[in-house]
Amino acid sequence: GQSLEQPSEVTAVEGAIVQINCTYQTSGFYGLSWYQQHDGGAPTFLSYNALDGLEETGRFSSFLSRSDSYGYLLLQELQMKDSASYFCAVTYNQGGKLIFGQGTELSVKP
Amino acid sequence: GAGVSQSPSNKVTEKGKDVELRCDPISGHTALYWYRQSLGQGLEFLIYFQGNSAPDKSGLPSDRFSAERTGGSVSTLTIQRTQQEDSAVYLCASRVTSGRYNEQFFGPGTRLTVL
Repeated sequence: GQSLEQPSEVTAVEGAIVQINCTYQTSGFYGLSWYQQHDGGAPTFLSYNALDGLEETGRFSSFLSRSDSYGYLLLQELQMKDSASYFCAVTYNQGGKLIFGQGTELSVKP
Repeated sequence: GAGVSQSPSNKVTEKGKDVELRCDPISGHTALYWYRQSLGQGLEFLIYFQGNSAPDKSGLPSDRFSAERTGGSVSTLTIQRTQQEDSAVYLCASRVTSGRYNEQFFGPGTRLTVL
């Protein structure tokens, strides 16, 4: 089946940099997305990579290596409000459904 | 503009009853998705509608689950003869298919509790 692996929890301090990794199964891969979800809230889109390399959006960056079936989300200058769950999600065909990982709970400490 | 809306926000039902969950996507979004999320878990894909194409129902967990999308806009997810394991948050998302980033816009969800 299709599955993704990401760490269940990460803890970091305010102002630090944190990287959340995601590995996925290759067959039919089309693109890798990242979503943020605060407790009780709806998931919100952060980034998307279809090609190898780094995509940067403000404090957040996302990286993809198709040859390694691997991606990561990089969060810089961490703020308390970044405490949330972060999900990687794979699209296995153009415009189709998202297959989500189990999520990484990020706790930012003062 | 308005985002994706879902109703009801909370639904408590008894085992064996049928429930209907509603999703109003963002106007002009041709793709609509249903997911569910159990406590502390990731999102599980249920069904996907794209324009007039046949829906992708590959994620529906059993034949008790069905969904329709009328007029290419509003969608209803129906769960018949609910079971306790159906308890979850049901999330709807919509997307502009011409978008570069496959960005899906999620509604606030319906929290379903089956007693």
